[in-house]
Amino acid sequence: KQEVTQIPAALSVPEGENLVLNCSFTDSAIYNLQWFRQDPGKGLTSLLLIQSSQREQTSGRLNASLDKSSGRSTLYIAASQPGDSATYLCAPSSNTGKLIFGQGTTLQVKP
Amino acid sequence: GAGVSQSPSNKVTEKGKDVELRCDPISGHTALYWYRQSLGQGLEFLIYFQGNSAPDKSGLPSDRFSAERTGGSVSTLTIQRTQQEDSAVYLCASSLEPRVGDTQYFGPGTRLTVL
Repeated sequence: KQEVTQIPAALSVPEGENLVLNCSFTDSAIYNLQWFRQDPGKGLTSLLLIQSSQREQTSGRLNASLDKSSGRSTLYIAASQPGDSATYLCAPSSNTGKLIFGQGTTLQVKP
Repeated sequence: GAGVSQSPSNKVTEKGKDVELRCDPISGHTALYWYRQSLGQGLEFLIYFQGNSAPDKSGLPSDRFSAERTGGSVSTLTIQRTQQEDSAVYLCASSLEPRVGDTQYFGPGTRLTVL
């Protein structure tokens, strides 16, 4: 059974810092891995999707890496802004697309 | 274009009543998923529909939960004889074609409160 762990559970940084969110998963037989953002009381917004054959994906100030064999993914956020404050969720998927979620990292970026 | 929509946005019901939650996926998306987000359990998979294939019901927590997808589009999640532990946000997602690893797009969710 796939289990996903995200570290840290919460993070508070001053604006402008670069930061790294960590995700580990127990079953390396994944099809892809998605990173999502969730704002309080809202649904999930997809940030990046990495296919199992890829090592990283970039979108703007976000960069996600995947080391499938070691069961790890990281989300790098450059030059953080207060608008980046949210909960970030990591979710590897099976070949049917079923997502298994971590508990998330709650990020606060202070102005 | 239009995203995934869900209705109602909020539902308050009494213990023992039945409820129906609706999901309208993005047009043309063949795969549809239901997830549940509760305080104690985080986000958990409930059920998955793909085209005309039999649904994957492996995440449904009890036989009080059922779902259907009509005409390969709209889906309804039904919870019979609701219990207080059913209180959660129910999220629906759709993707174009899961076997090529497409992004899942989520709706805003239905917040269910069982009194």
